[in-house]
Amino acid sequence: TQLLEQSPQFLSIQEGENLTVYCNSSSVFSSLQWYRQEPGEGPVLLVTVVTGGEVKKLKRLTFQFGDARKDSSLHITAAQPGDTGLYLCAGEGRYGNKLVFGAGTILRVKS
Amino acid sequence: DADVTQTPRNRITKTGKRIMLECSQTKGHDRMYWYRQDPGLGLRLIYYSFDVKDINKGEISDGYSVSRQAQAKFSLSLESAIPNQTALYFCATSDPGGSSYNEQFFGPGTRLTVL
Repeated sequence: TQLLEQSPQFLSIQEGENLTVYCNSSSVFSSLQWYRQEPGEGPVLLVTVVTGGEVKKLKRLTFQFGDARKDSSLHITAAQPGDTGLYLCAGEGRYGNKLVFGAGTILRVKS
Repeated sequence: DADVTQTPRNRITKTGKRIMLECSQTKGHDRMYWYRQDPGLGLRLIYYSFDVKDINKGEISDGYSVSRQAQAKFSLSLESAIPNQTALYFCATSDPGGSSYNEQFFGPGTRLTVL
């Protein structure tokens, strides 16, 4: 069974600070996706990384896929209150049938 | 209009009752999924379907059943609800053809409480 460990579970920071969320596994994934979920809504896809060592940027968010495709990170620069939400990583296994989700990181950005 | 809709959005039921959660999508995707979300556990897959004639169990299928009535409709049933099935339930779709990597599109969720 492929597992994804996400850390930290909860992060409360001030507006303007930087933060990093980690997603780790002992398994290799063919792709790694990051989702953001707001209260009362379903998760929404932010980005997909597929190549070992790949870095993708989405405004103030930077996503990285580990060289061995076993881990990923999400870095937010100068966090804003609008970044508040639950961040989920999800790995796609070898056969592409389904995703394995991490437990999520709850981010709260205070103004 | 939302591409993936779920009904009801909230439901309170009693132990032992049979309930059905419904999901409809207008994205034209073949693949549909049911997940449950519990605090600190992320999303766990209950069932998934790759087309109308294909139904597969996920990691936590016990106590649940599904029906794929059409490409656009996928319903989840709890045959005899129990309190530990209290959770947030999400339906999702995907279309991993071409350059897509099985990225999923989620409905707004159904909050189910079993008393």
